[in-house]
Amino acid sequence: AQSVTQLGSHVSVSEGALVLLRCNYSSSVPPYLFWYVQYPNQGLQLLLKYTSAATLVKGINGFEAEFKKSETSFHLTKPSAHMSDAAEYFCAVSEGNGNKLVFGAGTILRVKS
Amino acid sequence: DTEVTQTPKHLVMGMTNKKSLKCEQHMGHRAMYWYKQKAKKPPELMFVYSYEKLSINESVPSRFSPECPNSSLLNLHLHALQPEDSALYLCASRRGEREYGTDTQYFGPGTRLTVL
Repeated sequence: AQSVTQLGSHVSVSEGALVLLRCNYSSSVPPYLFWYVQYPNQGLQLLLKYTSAATLVKGINGFEAEFKKSETSFHLTKPSAHMSDAAEYFCAVSEGNGNKLVFGAGTILRVKS
Repeated sequence: DTEVTQTPKHLVMGMTNKKSLKCEQHMGHRAMYWYKQKAKKPPELMFVYSYEKLSINESVPSRFSPECPNSSLLNLHLHALQPEDSALYLCASRRGEREYGTDTQYFGPGTRLTVL
């Protein structure tokens, strides 16, 4: 079965600093990987997804992620954090034909002024 | 338009009540999902409907009863719930069950359920 591991349940950065949220996956087949963001008391919003077309994926709100097969990683980055980035971030991998998403435990991002 | 709507936004019910959650999408998606999310946890899949037929039931207790009356609408009927069922219930939709793994699931804003 496929799985994802998010290292760090909480990450704190200063406004303007680099954001790095880590995600490692376990999959026996080429994975389809997603990053979602969840603001308090809201649903999940797709930030970006890996479709095997390119290893560096650009998403919304200035986020990007790089797929590294050798490291089985799909870390999320943003060059400069903004206060509005404070939220919970979930990495997910799709199983089979993609009908099921397997989520990581989530990382809460705190942005300090 | 990539919007999934859910009503109500908040729901408080007693353990003997019967209530329903509603989810709607008008994107022409043929796969719809119910998830349960407890605080500080990722969403847990409950049910998947594909082309209006139940295709996945993740061993959910029978006090949760899903229904898909048409391709745009998904309901979750609740009866005799327990306090531990209090959670955020999320609905999602996707183009189709048999589509590619890269297809996105679009989530609604959720219903915050409290069982007293």
